[in-house]
This record gives sequence, C-alpha cells and structure tokens, in this order.
Amino acid sequence: DAGVIQSPRHEVTEMGQEVTLRCKPISGHDYLFWYRQTMMRGLELLIYFNNNVPIDDSGMPEDRFSAKMPNASFSTLKIQPSEPRDSAVYFCASSLRVQLYFGQGTRLTVV
Amino acid sequence: DQQVKQNSPSLSVQEGRISILNCDYTNSMFDYFLWYKKYPAEGPTFLISISSIKDKNEDGRFTVFLNKSAKHLSLHIVPSQPGDSAVYFCAAVISSGSARQLTFGSGTQLTVLP
Repeated sequence: DAGVIQSPRHEVTEMGQEVTLRCKPISGHDYLFWYRQTMMRGLELLIYFNNNVPIDDSGMPEDRFSAKMPNASFSTLKIQPSEPRDSAVYFCASSLRVQLYFGQGTRLTVV
Repeated sequence: DQQVKQNSPSLSVQEGRISILNCDYTNSMFDYFLWYKKYPAEGPTFLISISSIKDKNEDGRFTVFLNKSAKHLSLHIVPSQPGDSAVYFCAAVISSGSARQLTFGSGTQLTVLP
C-alpha cells in the first residue's frame, strides 16, 4: 500500500484566496483525520470522519474551514478565505484501529 | 486545556547513552498511549504503544513506561543513535469508546550527538 497520500506537498497562496488540500487514505481504513501542526500548538485535531461521516469538527478554527469526504478514498480540507495565520503544516491520517497512519503533510504558506 | 503535555521542548543526548522523553496527561479516561516519531518534511510515524493495563512495553531499543497513578509515561531509547534525532510526540486515546481521536502532546525535539 502506498500509505496516506496528500496533495499538494507545498502550497503558497495570497491572503484571501481559497485553498484546497487533498487526501487519499489507506484503502480499507474507516477513520480519517485532519490535523494541523504549528510551533505554538503542536499537533491539533481539526476534524475526523468515520465511514465518510464527520464525527467531530470541534477543532475546526472557524467557518473559513470546511472538510468533506465524498467517498472512502478521498477527502478535502478547504480554507476560504485564507489568512496568514493559517500558515502551518496540515496532516491527514487514517486508521482502522487506534494507530494512526499519517500522510507526509501539506505545508501551507499564506502571504 | 492541554490534556497531554510534553514539558521538555528539546533534549540532547550523547550517542550510546539513554534518552528519556516524558509525557504527562490529565484525563484519567485515557486507556491507550502511543509514541510517534517525526522527521522534518515527513508525517509522524508510529513507534510504540502501551495499554493502560500494562506498565511497560518494550520493542528493541525502545521501552515505554506507564505510571497510571502519576498520569505519566516515558519513552526510553537505549542506546541512542544519531538516526533517532527527530521530534517525538506522545498521544493518548480512549480506545473503548466510539471516538477515535488521538490527543497529542506538543512534541520533544531529540538530538543525539555523535
């Protein structure tokens, strides 16, 4: 298995623009998580899905953030409009049991 | 409210010596704990875990100790190698429930000096 695949690996965008991050989980995994890593807050959970259904989105910072999982093999995290404080590394992870498998992350820079 | 805390942002150890990384938690409902290692420009990778019914789990050079009464766990690496230099995250979860989200600590940067 190729593992969790995220795209793009790097994204630089201007403030106010829409940003879409993509994730393909490991086949057969029924949980999908979006995490954000910053120096100040470490790894923080944004949202997670079980069988494509959002279970807990309490970590989503504000309405500018939205996430979807239209099927078992694809998820998106969208930021609209983006702001400089959204700059971080965004990780997608999937799991079948407790252990999470992470993608390589998307480094987002909003200028 | 940080439920999982790693109070040491960084640790430097000489090659061949023991590295001890510490983690504290506040939620007594956590019953499963994991350690992840992260290299720059990569995602975290699973290292070792421990269930709350145990107080020790060993895998090669890595041993995790759990002290439930103190709500404290530690990761021991013996002997430390330069390739162990990475950020180490501890994580905790309530495995018995339907929720599966791991709560992570803020990480400890380990540097193993040759």
